[in-house]
Amino acid sequence: GDSVTQMEGPVTLSEEAFLTINCTYTATGYPSLFWYVQYPGEGLQLLLKATKADDKGSNKGFEATYRKETTSFHLEKGSVQVSDSAVYFCALSDRSGGSYIPTFGRGTSLIVHP
Amino acid sequence: DTAVSQTPKYLVTQMGNDKSIKCEQNLGHDTMYWYKQDSKKFLKIMFSYNNKELIINETVPNRFSPKSPDKAHLNLHINSLELGDSAVYFCASSHGFDGVRTMQYFGPGTRLTVT
Repeated sequence: GDSVTQMEGPVTLSEEAFLTINCTYTATGYPSLFWYVQYPGEGLQLLLKATKADDKGSNKGFEATYRKETTSFHLEKGSVQVSDSAVYFCALSDRSGGSYIPTFGRGTSLIVHP
Repeated sequence: DTAVSQTPKYLVTQMGNDKSIKCEQNLGHDTMYWYKQDSKKFLKIMFSYNNKELIINETVPNRFSPKSPDKAHLNLHINSLELGDSAVYFCASSHGFDGVRTMQYFGPGTRLTVT
C-alpha cells in the first residue's frame, strides 16, 4: 500500500535558521501531496499542496516541490520563527478503487528557539 | 464560524463504558473522516464516509462504529472502552474524490482518556 516517510524529530533550530523537513513517499497511483501543520492543542491545518510533478506549493514562507523522480516532497523555509514551532505532517492522497485514500506520515516536531 | 466542530473536547471515562463523539461540518463537504492520533502523534485514518456511505473502513476493532445521519455529521460510537483507546480523535471533511480537492479540513480534536 501507499506510505509516507518523514524524518524523525524533534528538529530544533534557532530563529532565522533555514529549515528542511524531508518527506518521501510510495504510491501505486499518481498522488496529490500535502503538508499539514498542527499547532499545540489544535487540529491539523493545510499548509501547502502540489498535484503534479514539478509543482511547487508555497504558503507563509514555506515551500515544497513535487519530485516524482525521487518520490519526494521536502518542506523548506528560509528563515524560521518561534511561531513556526509545531508538528508538520507530510501526506498524500491516492486513488484506490473509487476513492481517494489519505495517508499521513508520522509527523516531525519543530522547535524554534529565540 | 467553526468549519469542523467536535464535541466533547475532552472525554475521561472508565474501561468498559460506551461513549460517543460528535462531529459536524458546515463547509458543504460530502466526505468526512475519523482519525486516531496516538501519544507519539501518529495519525491513522479509521473511517471515511461519502454522502452518508462508508467508503473507507481501516482495520479498526468493531467496538468502533461510525454513524452518519446526514452529510454534515459523522459521529463515532465506541463500545466497551479499553485503555488502548486513549488518544486524540480527529474528525475531518473534504470535498469530493478529486485528488486536487481532497485536502482536508480538521476539527480541533477530542482527547479521550480511558482509566
